[in-house]
This record gives sequence, structure tokens and C-alpha cells, in this order.
Amino acid sequence: EVQLVESGGGLVQPGGSLRLSCAASGFTFSSYWMHWVRQAPGKGLVWVARIKSDGSYTNYADSVKGRFTISRDNAKNTLYLQMNTLRADDTAVYYCAREDWGGDYFDYWGQGTLVTVSS
Amino acid sequence: EIVLTQSPGTLSLSPGERATLSCRASQSLTSSFLAWYQQKPGQAPRLLIYGASSRATGIPDRFSGSGSGTDFTLTISRLEPEDFAVYYCQQYGSSPLTFGQGTKVEIK
Repeated sequence: EVQLVESGGGLVQPGGSLRLSCAASGFTFSSYWMHWVRQAPGKGLVWVARIKSDGSYTNYADSVKGRFTISRDNAKNTLYLQMNTLRADDTAVYYCAREDWGGDYFDYWGQGTLVTVSS
Repeated sequence: EIVLTQSPGTLSLSPGERATLSCRASQSLTSSFLAWYQQKPGQAPRLLIYGASSRATGIPDRFSGSGSGTDFTLTISRLEPEDFAVYYCQQYGSSPLTFGQGTKVEIK
């Protein structure tokens, strides 16, 4: 059974940093592109970043470019999102999601981890 | 960036009725690269449809997708109690990947 379990969310002050993790199991993690998608409270879904299966390519939404870094450790079956210079508008539930082989859509999602940026 | 506009914002229907949800893209989508997701409160989204019209694994056949170019539709032929939720479309034809703002299907 495919499982994606996020962790690392919490309360952080504006300008602070946080690193999210997503532990994957039930599939060959190293064969799949992975993504982060976020959802502000009561709002819609927003794509954040993606990483190639071997980690050699990354791509970001303009709103996080230069502040967030997506990475992965295929030996540990874990996806990461390093978030720096956090702002109030980064407050959201962050989901990790697996990209389907057929295209850049998401066939499995984690349960999400809440990041709150507030003083 | 491709903007997806979903309508209506809210759809009030009774169980057993037909639901028709619309997703319009600001530019024509490459090869109908459009997906639909269902999200219930407190849960992660669930993939329903990809490639505009292909049902994902385990999705009941009351869910169907159609459309091409800039206009896409998700149809739920007969609403079951568990279908009341928010539905999002997503385009994956160009970067950045974008989602519509969602349509809430609520019980009338």
C-alpha cells in the first residue's frame, strides 16, 4: 500500500525556517517524481515544487523560488522541503504528492502537515 | 501561467441528482492534460480523472470527464451521499502546474 507521511510542520515566526519531511513507503520511491502542494486555510490548492526521481532536476512556483528548496534522499525514501525566509502568506497545509507516470498529476497524496507563520 | 476558472462556485443538489462541473482554461491545454480531484473536509485530495476523461483506479463509473482545448467538464451522473465535497481541476500541460479555485457540491 502506497503511503506518504509528512512531518515537520508547526508554528514559526516570520523570517524563520522550517524543514518538512515526507516519508514514502509501499512503492519504489526512487522511480517517481515527487511534488509539494500547499493549501492555505479555507483556500484552494497551489503547486509549490517538484523534483525528478533521481534528484537531478527541480522546479518551483515563483512565489517560493529562492526561499524554498525541494530535495530527496532515495536511500531513506524521504522527500524534503526546506523553507527559509517564511512569510505569513506561506501559512498552509503542505502536502507531498506522487506524480503519476502518465503525466504531472498526482495519484497519491500524504495527509498534510500544517505550517503556521505568525509572530 | 494558465489560469483555470471553475464554475459554479457552489452547486446545491440532492442525492440521486446529476452534477455538472465546469473548468475553463485561459489557454488551450496541450493534449487535454487536465485532471480532476475530490477533497473532503480534513482530507487530502483524491485523484478522480486524468487526461480529461480517464478515470483513476478505483473511481466509480458515475464520475466522468470530458472536454478539450479550453473547456472541460466533470459529471457525476447520480450523486451519492459520499460525493458531497469540493472538486478541483488541475492542468499539467505547462509549468507552473495550476489548479482551479474549486467547486463545492453541497447537499440541498
